[in-house]
Amino acid sequence: GAGVSQTPSNKVTEKGKYVELRCDPISGHTALYWYRQSLGQGPEFLIYFQGTGAADDSGLPNDRFFAVRPEGSVSTLKIQRTERGDSAVYLCASSLLSGDGDTQYFGPGTRLTVL
Amino acid sequence: AQSVTQLDSHVSVSEGTPVLLRCNYSSSYSPSLFWYVQHPNKGLQLLLKYTSAATLVKGINGFEAEFKKSETSFHLTKPSAHMSDAAEYFCVVSDESNTGKLIFGQGTTLQVKP
Repeated sequence: GAGVSQTPSNKVTEKGKYVELRCDPISGHTALYWYRQSLGQGPEFLIYFQGTGAADDSGLPNDRFFAVRPEGSVSTLKIQRTERGDSAVYLCASSLLSGDGDTQYFGPGTRLTVL
Repeated sequence: AQSVTQLDSHVSVSEGTPVLLRCNYSSSYSPSLFWYVQHPNKGLQLLLKYTSAATLVKGINGFEAEFKKSETSFHLTKPSAHMSDAAEYFCVVSDESNTGKLIFGQGTTLQVKP
């Protein structure tokens, strides 16, 4: 079956611009996670959705970052007034449930470059 | 707060020799532990996970890991390395919030020489 997909695969933007990154989770998965992976680092948690609601957004670095999942499936990560420090690979993952130990399936990521 | 330490940033082995990637964790409770692999330009793939059942966990592609609570370790091993094993490996611990949130180590790059 289809895995987690993310679009675009690459995004180059200029400092100060607005960007949207999209994630299509595996069908039927109720939990969706966003992580950010900077060069040479492990992924870091940003936000978690259970259904349509953001159950934990404690990893969002500041209020320029926002994410939505209006129908409980596709999610969009939105970054306003981008900065060069936002350059990273943004990863999305989904799992059937959201408990401890549930396997998360990751998408290939969106590589964001802010010039 | 939980944390994960991967003791080697880079490991180099010859094809056919054993692989050992070391991981220590810190947690105030009994977490779930995972190893993920990331091949260049590909998504993270789950190798194996420990969720409080058997302490020796077998995963895909011949990898296994042993959970040692007394040592707070979860080292990844494979008896014989293959060229296709060359990749970035991440040791991961589940967050105590029980939401599935994952905390990743810094990663270990495995190089396999012919």
